Amino acid sequence: KNEVEQSPQNLTAQEGEFITINCSYSVGISALHWLQQHPGGGIVSLFMLSSGKKKHGRLIATINIQEKHSSLHITASHPRDSAVYICAVLQPPNTGNQFYFGTGTSLTVIP
Amino acid sequence: DTGVSQDPRHKITKRGQNVTFRCDPISEHNRLYWYRQTLGQGPEFLTYFQNEAQLEKSRLLSNRFSAERPKGSFSTLEIQRTEQGDSAMYLCASSLAGRYTEAFFGQGTRLTVV
Repeated sequence: KNEVEQSPQNLTAQEGEFITINCSYSVGISALHWLQQHPGGGIVSLFMLSSGKKKHGRLIATINIQEKHSSLHITASHPRDSAVYICAVLQPPNTGNQFYFGTGTSLTVIP
Repeated sequence: DTGVSQDPRHKITKRGQNVTFRCDPISEHNRLYWYRQTLGQGPEFLTYFQNEAQLEKSRLLSNRFSAERPKGSFSTLEIQRTEQGDSAMYLCASSLAGRYTEAFFGQGTRLTVV
């Protein structure tokens, strides 16, 4: 069993649709990261969360520590949002301080 | 400092050959990670260093794989006797150790074993 599970694995949406990507994890964490990876490109960090909710432009990330669950929402999706979105969790320093990654959600937004 | 850099960006090699990749982390970062990523998957952990000490190695890392970080700065990942199954993107990331640290990734080295 993976420490981090994401769903869905693949997602196709029409431009303008509201998109949700889910992440569940099974280890204790100090922070959760949402990352974006474009085809052939590097990985960039979108959010780091330890509680609550963060918003950046059309992107919203939420986390429920008790339920060990996070969601990434994209409002008014656009073709340039097409990418792989990866959830990663960071263990606290006293339990290894290791990053664990989900398998990613491949998003395609069709014009 | 412009971030994490990896070299080469692409490598094509014949099966059975040895390859070596290099990663230069962000200079003040004491942690350096190696991951492998295959198409459609998230990064799989291979190994990580804190300074020059290799703290953990994944079971995925067979004895054909070795990584070093001799002076606690750049790192190398060597694959001996490459196999076609080694074809993947090899990603390096660096971070500071800590509770709310963030990992910064290099662009990766894409290995193709033919």
